[in-house]
Amino acid sequence: GENVEQHPSTLSVQEGDSAVIKCTYSDSASNYFPWYKQELGKRPQLIIDIRSNVGEKKDQRIAVTLNKTAKHFSLHITETQPEDSAVYFCAPRVGGNNRLAFGKGNQVVVIP
Amino acid sequence: GAGVSQSPRYKVAKRGQDVALRCDPISGHVSLFWYQQALGQGPEFLTYFQNEAQLDKSGLPSDRFFAERPEGSVSTLKIQRTQQEDSAVYLCASSTLAGGYNEQFFGPGTRLTVL
Repeated sequence: GENVEQHPSTLSVQEGDSAVIKCTYSDSASNYFPWYKQELGKRPQLIIDIRSNVGEKKDQRIAVTLNKTAKHFSLHITETQPEDSAVYFCAPRVGGNNRLAFGKGNQVVVIP
Repeated sequence: GAGVSQSPRYKVAKRGQDVALRCDPISGHVSLFWYQQALGQGPEFLTYFQNEAQLDKSGLPSDRFFAERPEGSVSTLKIQRTQQEDSAVYLCASSTLAGGYNEQFFGPGTRLTVL
């Protein structure tokens, strides 16, 4: 199945603090794990991705960690800024297929 | 270079009308995807093309939905006899290779409102 869940649905953080959002999935064949950012009225944009043979990947203030055994991966944003306010979607690739299965999204609000 | 473009950006249809939504992927991109995004939800997969071949249409909600990509570049999503529940943003995405590790680049979407 493609059960993809994101928690928490909404997260408010003070500017400068860290934000962590978690995605759980059910398809054990999934092998590619991207995070997309979508601002209001805009298109989703890839911010970071990880493959199943890697446990962690970092890009400046953003990192993704993967626990394949537990079937979850998390997005970490450090030193949050107001422009980080957006909806973040995890979208694991369904195994054996090129489709991405998007979660319902996490609304992140950075309070200045 | 140009990104993925979609037209029209907004479409209002009366219930029962047919609509056609167009996607221009990034030049040279082999893979093309259509997603449907309802308000407050994540994008949901509709269909996938590799060049002109439609390899997966399992996400199309009913036989009123039809997609084509006859020359392996531009794609059209057609919805016949539109219903109110079809109201959503329709997103097109393309990626450079046939494999699944490649970033999907999204277009701006077409917002369809069915009255």
